[in-house]
Amino acid sequence: DTGVSQDPRHKITKRGQNVTFRCDPISEHNRLYWYRQTLGQGPEFLTYFQNEAQLEKSRLLSDRFSAERPKGSFSTLEIQRTEQGDSAMYLCASSRGQGENQPQHFGDGTRLSIL
Amino acid sequence: DAKTTQPPSMDCAEGRAANLPCNHSTISGNEYVYWYRQIHSQGPQYIIHGLKNNETNEMASLIITEDRKSSTLILPHATLRDTAVYYCIVRVHTGNQFYFGTGTSLTVIP
Repeated sequence: DTGVSQDPRHKITKRGQNVTFRCDPISEHNRLYWYRQTLGQGPEFLTYFQNEAQLEKSRLLSDRFSAERPKGSFSTLEIQRTEQGDSAMYLCASSRGQGENQPQHFGDGTRLSIL
Repeated sequence: DAKTTQPPSMDCAEGRAANLPCNHSTISGNEYVYWYRQIHSQGPQYIIHGLKNNETNEMASLIITEDRKSSTLILPHATLRDTAVYYCIVRVHTGNQFYFGTGTSLTVIP
């Protein structure tokens, strides 16, 4: 396994701008997850894909957030009209579908800073 | 998913065993216990998981009490690289999300 890859690792932008993050899961993992982590807190679930279908969304995922996973491979998370409160680490994870107790494997995240 | 309770911080001498406790008194029969750790500026790293039997892998051992209301993660010979925040999570085997909480900050002391 080459691991979950996230790009970029850091993003600094001005309030009101749009940003997009990319996640490449471990190959053959059909499940993909997005989490958000703020300073001093554990990661919080945002959304989940099985293949290309987005099956679950947290209440944390406001209308300004959208996630896609075309063709069931990589995923993108877009934040429109960024706000100060969006500053956080955005983490992606993937897991196998076979066996419901399969652990999730995380990337090293994209750290977003809003000026 | 059941909530977990962990001490906010612990110290351990280098080379000694680190025993990290977790209480999950409301755990139900189909919920697994997972342990992850997170080193500063990195994503969470999977360590181990189990349902009711004790588990061991190359990283750690997981001891689950018979009533499954608590568990202990054991790092047999702690090194400085084991300094991290350790998260104990319980999750229904069909669940899609992990609830991380705030974890235990383990500091390994030389």
